Order: sequence, then C-alpha cells, then structure tokens
Amino acid sequence: KAGVTQTPRYLIKTRGQQVTLSCSPISGHRSVSWYQQTPGQGLQFLFEYFSETQRNKGNFPGRFSGRQFSNSRSEMNVSTLELGDSALYLCASSLNWDLPLNEQFFGPGTRLTVL
Amino acid sequence: AQSVAQPEDQVNVAEGNPLTVKCTYSVSGNPYLFWYVQYPNRGLQFLLKYITGDNLVKGSYGFEAEFNKSQTSFHLKKPSALVSDSALYFCAVRDGPGGNNRLAFGKGNQVVVIP
Repeated sequence: KAGVTQTPRYLIKTRGQQVTLSCSPISGHRSVSWYQQTPGQGLQFLFEYFSETQRNKGNFPGRFSGRQFSNSRSEMNVSTLELGDSALYLCASSLNWDLPLNEQFFGPGTRLTVL
Repeated sequence: AQSVAQPEDQVNVAEGNPLTVKCTYSVSGNPYLFWYVQYPNRGLQFLLKYITGDNLVKGSYGFEAEFNKSQTSFHLKKPSALVSDSALYFCAVRDGPGGNNRLAFGKGNQVVVIP
C-alpha cells in the first residue's frame, strides 16, 4: 500500500507570493492533518480535515487555509508569504476522525523556502 | 491543553548500550501518548503508542516505552542501540477532547549513536 505522498517536495517562493501544497493520504484513509515544522517552534498543528470538513484548527493566521476533496486528497494554501513561513510542512493521514487512538502516518513533507 | 516535555536536547550513546529518551506529559483526563522518529529529510515514522493497560508498550524496530502515571512519564527505551538509530525522536500527546487526531509534540531529542 502506498504511503502518504506530498507534492512538491521542495518549493522556493518570494515574500508576498502564495503557495499551494498537496497531500494524498494512504488509500482508505479519510482524515488528513497538516503540521508545520521549524527549528524554532518545532512541530505545530495547522488543521485537520475529515469528509471535506475542517474538524480542528491550530493557532495560525488566516493566511493559512486548507481544503479536502471528495477523494480525501487535501491541499493547504498560504497567501502573502512571509520569511517566517519557511518550514517543512508535513501531512499526516489516519483512518478516521472519530477514533482518537488512530495512528497517524506522515508524508515526507514539503520544504518551503521563502526568500 | 495537553503537552509533553522532552528535557534533553541531545542524547549520546555508544552502540550496543541501552538507549533512553525521556518524555514527561501533562494532561487532563486519560493520556494518549505516542513516539515518532524522524530521519533526515524524511517525515515522521510511528514507533509506538500508549492507550491503556500494560505500562510497558512494545513498538517498532525493537523500541519500547514505559508509562509511569505517578511520575507522568513515558520514556522511550531500546536495550541495545544501533548506529542506524541515530535520528530525531518526538514524544506526542493527543491534544483535545473528543474525536480528533490533533497531536501536541515535544521539541524532539536528537539521538546520536556512536560506533
């Protein structure tokens, strides 16, 4: 069974631009979560989607948004990029939303660099 | 909010020696605890989780973790470390009530296994 895939793997943008990152969960998994990883702040939860609905949201500004499609694939968007948005963005999939002891399976991440 | 703390930045251990990575938690209600490992330029890989029941949890790659309620700890252990165990280790706790997969991570511990 294929794992979680994220595209692109690397991205370079300039301040003020916007970016869209994509995540395809493991086949059959319906919940997708996004995390931001930086050296200073560590791993921080962005949001979680299940059945095309956002179920949970972390403490990030409104410039960070996401969505989930009917096939469970998810995208996250960051508008008006700032230097501090440079990070590794990780996507995680799990079987269901309402089984809190689910294991989450992480993708390799998208490395975003903002210049 | 639930949280975990990993007090050490780096753990150095000689190959063949026992490895311990420390984690303490702070939760209201039942703790649902996880350990993940991250290799360079890779996403997080699930190692093990504590749900309830046995305080000694066995996981992947020969790792185990000991849950101690009185000390609010969930230390990761391996009886004999390998050079290939050198990586970044994260302790995490499910953050929030009800059905959600949101995880709160510790800052991570760099493990260096010396040949």
